Amino acid sequence: DQQVKQNSPSLSVQEGRISILNCDYTNSMFDYFLWYKKYPAEGPTFLISISSIKDKNEDGRFTVFLNKSAKHLSLHIVPSQPGDSAVYFCAASEIGDDMRFGAGTRLTVKP
Amino acid sequence: DSGVTQTPKHLITATGQRVTLRCSPRSGDLSVYWYQQSLDQGLQFLIQYYNGEERAKGNILERFSAQQFPDLHSELNLSSLELGDSALYFCASSPPGWGSTGELFFGEGSRLTVL
Repeated sequence: DQQVKQNSPSLSVQEGRISILNCDYTNSMFDYFLWYKKYPAEGPTFLISISSIKDKNEDGRFTVFLNKSAKHLSLHIVPSQPGDSAVYFCAASEIGDDMRFGAGTRLTVKP
Repeated sequence: DSGVTQTPKHLITATGQRVTLRCSPRSGDLSVYWYQQSLDQGLQFLIQYYNGEERAKGNILERFSAQQFPDLHSELNLSSLELGDSALYFCASSPPGWGSTGELFFGEGSRLTVL
């Protein structure tokens, strides 16, 4: 049962432009939504999160938007930099419960 | 450095064998999670332990088992290994009460290759 889905396996953008990564979920009981970034040969690292009571959270170049009615969230990176090239995982959890991850989107930012 | 330590980093073994992967969580974290990442797959949740007790179970095969010890380190045991078990196995930990973001801290993973 794939409760968290990332339908785009890859995304390529030009340096300086906006990167938009999308994620859909099915469980309306999720309390937290998170984005993790993963470089090759490393474990995923936390990037940004949003509580289900908010619709936007911003941290520097990274903004996460949550649309609960559509069960959809997105991560915006502006401006994109070559160092942002990585696999991005969307994740969701109910407080104290296990965290469910999407399949990941590989972002390539071209100089 | 997330503070989560996994050993071994790489492991090559044959079908039918048994291996044990080890994880030490961050100091103070009570929860340990195990995830499997196969080729081109996302992170599949296997199992969670909280302070020594099994808390949640995901898509973990019966050939796999895990435990968390009194010192809070955890071991994932994989037996009767098959070629399809080749994957990256990640351990993650989280603090008591989850904190404000629900963030997990991941180790660097153990890459298992079954030949």
